Amino acid sequence: DIQLTQSPSFLSASVGDRVTITCRASQVISKYVAWYQQKPGKAPNLLIYGASTLYSGAPSRFSGGGFGTEFTLTISSLQPEDFAIYYCQQLNTYPLTFGGGTKVEIK
Amino acid sequence: QVLLVQSGGGVVQPGKSLRLSCEASGFSLDNYGMHWVRQAPGKGLEWVAVLWYDGTTTYYADFVKGRFNVSRDTSKNTLYLEMNSLRAEDTALYFCARLDLALSGASDFWGQGIPVTVSS
Repeated sequence: DIQLTQSPSFLSASVGDRVTITCRASQVISKYVAWYQQKPGKAPNLLIYGASTLYSGAPSRFSGGGFGTEFTLTISSLQPEDFAIYYCQQLNTYPLTFGGGTKVEIK
Repeated sequence: QVLLVQSGGGVVQPGKSLRLSCEASGFSLDNYGMHWVRQAPGKGLEWVAVLWYDGTTTYYADFVKGRFNVSRDTSKNTLYLEMNSLRAEDTALYFCARLDLALSGASDFWGQGIPVTVSS
């Protein structure tokens, strides 16, 4: 199975900060990565697909990058509503897998 | 308007069975694959299974293979997850989610989640 390692697992930041989360895959997965935001007790929301394409309706301050085994999610200017947990998911090979999550909290 | 409404969760004893349902509206299951994803209390997301748009191709996570079965009833536009031989470690919030090939397989719509507790 393909393992996804997210770093950091926890991030403390202030409103207006630029933050970057990394997702590393144990095998090459081309560009088949999606990023989700999840708030407590709610279903995840899709932010990025195809590693770098912003999902319609997701705020433009979110961006994704990477190819192969290393991927990033960047929030250009952190907003109060962005404090949540973020997950990467690989869609290249079954069984699909998620990263362990990155919790973004207010400093 | 796309909507996924889940039902069927609850408390069940170890070794017993439970069936989850996910009723879709605003699109046809004939045209989309569907995932099941779960989240144990305080833990991260865990992919469980998929049923492709063709209605026959399925894949499962190793930890449910042979115990869980995903199916659909297109006349009801409803997806199911039949869970057998349940274990305490299957306790989780279960989500259904739409697979969109136009989004490189990502999931754009999710159900509200339904809790399953396996306990004696």
